[in-house]
Amino acid sequence: AQSVSQHNHHVILSEAASLELGCNYSYGGTVNLFWYVQYPGQHLQLLLKYFSGDPLVKGIKGFEAEFIKSKFSFNLRKPSVQWSDTAEYFCAVNNNFNKFYFGSGTKLNVKP
Amino acid sequence: KAGVTQTPRYLIKTRGQQVTLSCSPISGHRSVSWYQQTPGQGLQFLFEYFSETQRNKGNFPGRFSGRQFSNSRSEMNVSTLELGDSALYLCASSLDETQYFGPGTRLLVL
Repeated sequence: AQSVSQHNHHVILSEAASLELGCNYSYGGTVNLFWYVQYPGQHLQLLLKYFSGDPLVKGIKGFEAEFIKSKFSFNLRKPSVQWSDTAEYFCAVNNNFNKFYFGSGTKLNVKP
Repeated sequence: KAGVTQTPRYLIKTRGQQVTLSCSPISGHRSVSWYQQTPGQGLQFLFEYFSETQRNKGNFPGRFSGRQFSNSRSEMNVSTLELGDSALYLCASSLDETQYFGPGTRLLVL
């Protein structure tokens, strides 16, 4: 069965610190990759996505992610986090059959 | 365009009852998926509908069912509610392989 692993369940950072959230998936075929964010009290929003092409994708609010096919990874990064980045982040994968698999989420707490 | 809407936003039921949740996708989106979100379990896929047909299904018991109408609106139904069904139920509509989520319906089963 396919799965998506987010190894960091809870991350605490100070403002201006750099962020990297890990995401690994298990599926050998062609995949589309996504990061979603859920701010407190709000619904899930698309942060960025990768379908093909440049493996380094840029999203909203200064986030970026790098697809490394050989490692089955799609890690999310931001050079300098802000207090407003406090949220839960979900990695997701979908395959050719439009079936989505989500990771269990990483809660990010940014201290001002 | 208006986003994905879900009704009701909050619901309280008792064990054994049944519940129907509604989702209106973004205009032009023909695929609607449903998820159950609980703390610690993340998002668990329930099912996906496309053009009124169930195209994908997750690993939930038969108490969970859904349907899609010709205008792409979708409903999900949970029969014989159990305490463990308390969760946030999310609907997502998709176009071009990208899902867009609604605010969810928070169901509490007492």
